[in-house]
Amino acid sequence: QVTLKESGPVWVKPTETLTLTCTVSGFSLSDARLGVSWIRQPPGKALEWLAHIFSDDEKSYSTSLKTRLTISKDTSKSQVVLTMTNLDPVDTATYYCARRRDAVVEDYFDYWGQGTLVTVSS
Amino acid sequence: DIQMTQSPSSLSASVGDTVTISCRASQGINSFLNWYQVKPGKAPKLLIYTESSLQSGVPSRFSGSGSGTDFTLTISNLQPEDFATYFCQQSYSTPTFGQGTKVEIK
Repeated sequence: QVTLKESGPVWVKPTETLTLTCTVSGFSLSDARLGVSWIRQPPGKALEWLAHIFSDDEKSYSTSLKTRLTISKDTSKSQVVLTMTNLDPVDTATYYCARRRDAVVEDYFDYWGQGTLVTVSS
Repeated sequence: DIQMTQSPSSLSASVGDTVTISCRASQGINSFLNWYQVKPGKAPKLLIYTESSLQSGVPSRFSGSGSGTDFTLTISNLQPEDFATYFCQQSYSTPTFGQGTKVEIK
């Protein structure tokens, strides 16, 4: 059974750094064609993809946020970590991690965590 | 980035109705289009991948169609558990999502 679970602070002050952890089970972070992305949804707004880490440790980032994001993984712990620097109230959102299946003819997020709501406020 | 435009932003429907949600890409994305269902407090759920492939375990009342730049999600015989928000997502390049369509009870 594939599961993903996000963890991290529920409240962060402006200008601080946010660190979120995604703990996965039911698959390995080294499995070919599988990777993990972080995606967020501000209250009442659309989903926004943030970052992805591939099985070979290659990383990709949202163009608009890449200067603030770092994604990494610890395969032995089955964890993917996202850090976001210099937080602002507009970063208030539910943050999801999702497994991405990436093949030549298909590419989709097939399993998601329940998400964690992060509020940025002083 | 490829922009995804969904319509309508919301709709009201009754149990048993058929609803259609549209998604348009700002450029051709072949069939790299996926659909998700999102409910508050729950993990988003993949419904349709690669335009029209039904994800395992998803009821057959959900179907997807289209190609190129214009895509449609159809929900036939709407059930109470289908009232949710639906998002399209392109995977042709850096992932981007539509703005979402909230399906509400009439």
